[in-house]
Amino acid sequence: NAGVTQTPKFQVLKTGQSMTLQCAQDMNHNSMYWYRQDPGMGLRLIYYSASEGTTDKGEVPNGYNVSRLNKREFSLRLESAAPSQTSVYFCASRTGVNYGYTFGSGTRLTVV
Amino acid sequence: TQLLEQSPQFLSIQEGENLTVYCNSSSVFSSLQWYRQEPGEGPVLLVTVVTGGEVKKLKRLTFQFGDARKDSSLHITAAQPGDTGLYLCAGGVRSQGNLIFGKGTKLSVKP
Repeated sequence: NAGVTQTPKFQVLKTGQSMTLQCAQDMNHNSMYWYRQDPGMGLRLIYYSASEGTTDKGEVPNGYNVSRLNKREFSLRLESAAPSQTSVYFCASRTGVNYGYTFGSGTRLTVV
Repeated sequence: TQLLEQSPQFLSIQEGENLTVYCNSSSVFSSLQWYRQEPGEGPVLLVTVVTGGEVKKLKRLTFQFGDARKDSSLHITAAQPGDTGLYLCAGGVRSQGNLIFGKGTKLSVKP
């Protein structure tokens, strides 16, 4: 029962470095999401993909790009990391509207 | 902009006490969900409610969706240390592809 798998679990980057966070789900879900969670700010949507082949900006998309590689995989890329991007990143998926999310266990990213 | 306000932000109680967490908005939602998150893990879905006035029970947890579908509550009876965690409510709008999350209620249940 893998569900949603995120890699890596932890990462430290230097300012200006780039990296890609990987997310894969094995539940045949149509929609996938990337959120960041910061103390006092709650979960904020970065980007989402309602279905394979589509992506849309969320509340805080600046500094990020995404790729919906296929139905299973949705990656998040930081092209030039900044300290403000230090956060815990969660990938989630669901089968459709009015259904709940299944979350991954998160990536804790620190940018120094 | 749709917002979900959760209260209280923090709650520290003794084992065996009852508690209620609230989730309020000025917006109407087509569905509302509750999640629990433990440290170092992603949120886990507890329940989804979709009908105004709907009440769902999950063992000692009771969830209610307001008649106007703008608010919800989570009531825990006889809390146990295993209930400790961050409780998040999230609202969905049918025309939008994502959920709006409240900032959460951090619950600590002491033995």
